[in-house]
Amino acid sequence: GESVGLHLPTLSVQEGDNSIINCAYSNSASDYFIWYKQESGKGPQFIIDIRSNMDKRQGQRVTVLLNKTVKHLSLQIAATQPGDSAVYFCAEKVSGGYNKLIFGAGTRLAVHP
Amino acid sequence: SAVISQKPSRDICQRGTSLTIQCQVDSQVTMMFWYRQQPGQSLTLIATANQGSEATYESGFVIDKFPISRPNLTFSTLTVSNMSPEDSSIYLCSVGIYTEAFFGQGTRLTVV
Repeated sequence: GESVGLHLPTLSVQEGDNSIINCAYSNSASDYFIWYKQESGKGPQFIIDIRSNMDKRQGQRVTVLLNKTVKHLSLQIAATQPGDSAVYFCAEKVSGGYNKLIFGAGTRLAVHP
Repeated sequence: SAVISQKPSRDICQRGTSLTIQCQVDSQVTMMFWYRQQPGQSLTLIATANQGSEATYESGFVIDKFPISRPNLTFSTLTVSNMSPEDSSIYLCSVGIYTEAFFGQGTRLTVV
């Protein structure tokens, strides 16, 4: 079976509800943040990103909010669907580096019909 | 974007042996990254591989255990040496293009 996300915190939501996944990042020098979705047996897939000079960015059904004061990032998924079930990771890129990413702990999203 | 292929996709290995994981990218990239994802956990960067120079290892990872090759701009290998059950993980190759990072599907390694 798939072990990714087995021991991660789980957010359970009903299909159609909105989901909010939170992440605390570690480095105040980070200038770029990304949310990734990882499905069973796959590598992480890019969902949405945000630069440190922004506090909100919207995509299709997803919104990322950045609060630099408390070093907090959130991912909002509107009208959650069964296909959204996966493990979600936030990642930060430290200013001045190349594309080296530091990943957060991850949250497993379980969508129930 | 980038398409990344990793081989093998999974393997079961005996302790004490070594496994070399290959990563092929469909475009030329300067930096390639190797991550480890232990069961039920997040991704941890092992090292950054630059073509033409030695890889840069993160704290807790050493070249003797995880030698890396980067012979050209589209290919890299990671070797997991003298394996123990604690090395059982998913190993992922990643490349950065502009600000976005792309990942391979990973190599699931089980050491018995």
